[in-house]
Amino acid sequence: NAGVTQTPKFRVLKTGQSMTLLCAQDMNHEYMYWYRQDPGMGLRLIHYSVGEGTTAKGEVPDGYNVSRLKKQNFLLGLESAAPSQTSVYFCASSRDRVESPLHFGNGTRLTVT
Amino acid sequence: AQSVAQPEDQVNVAEGNPLTVKCTYSVSGNPYLFWYVQYPNRGLQFLLKYITGDNLVKGSYGFEAEFNKSQTSFHLKKPSALVSDSALYFCAVRDNVGYQKVTFGTGTKLQVIP
Repeated sequence: NAGVTQTPKFRVLKTGQSMTLLCAQDMNHEYMYWYRQDPGMGLRLIHYSVGEGTTAKGEVPDGYNVSRLKKQNFLLGLESAAPSQTSVYFCASSRDRVESPLHFGNGTRLTVT
Repeated sequence: AQSVAQPEDQVNVAEGNPLTVKCTYSVSGNPYLFWYVQYPNRGLQFLLKYITGDNLVKGSYGFEAEFNKSQTSFHLKKPSALVSDSALYFCAVRDNVGYQKVTFGTGTKLQVIP
């Protein structure tokens, strides 16, 4: 019963490098989300998806891209990392019902130097 | 636009005492409210929710929350705090339209003192 799995758990990048964060869920959820968590700012939505093949921008999408080629996977890409993208990134999923809670992965801690 | 406020960055309570973590919200329609808990180096975990019905909702680990429509509040409570309750708590509201956007508060750190 894995739930939401994120890889990697930790990563250090140099400014300008690229990387992809992987998120997989095994609950057959329609909705998937990428959040970033920064001290004192709570969680901010980067991008989200309401189904396979669909993606949309959240509150802070600049510098990130996403893809959802398969229903169970949601990928977050950083094309050219910047120090401002140092953060903890969380993936979440939910059913397409307003009463459904979000299920979160354990996060990826990214440092950009 | 919907919003959530958690007015306290940190709440300290002695073990065995009752605890309250405050949350107020602003929405244009019916509120769909949630509480989540985050332990160190972990993702958020769902605690409880208010959708409709009784104003007092019960959730995991002995937590409950009181919905007050007139005060637009959804405070998290527990009758007797445990040291293991020490964590970061987030209140959230979910929209009932579109992609059902979830808005989180900034979080309240609960410290239970032995």
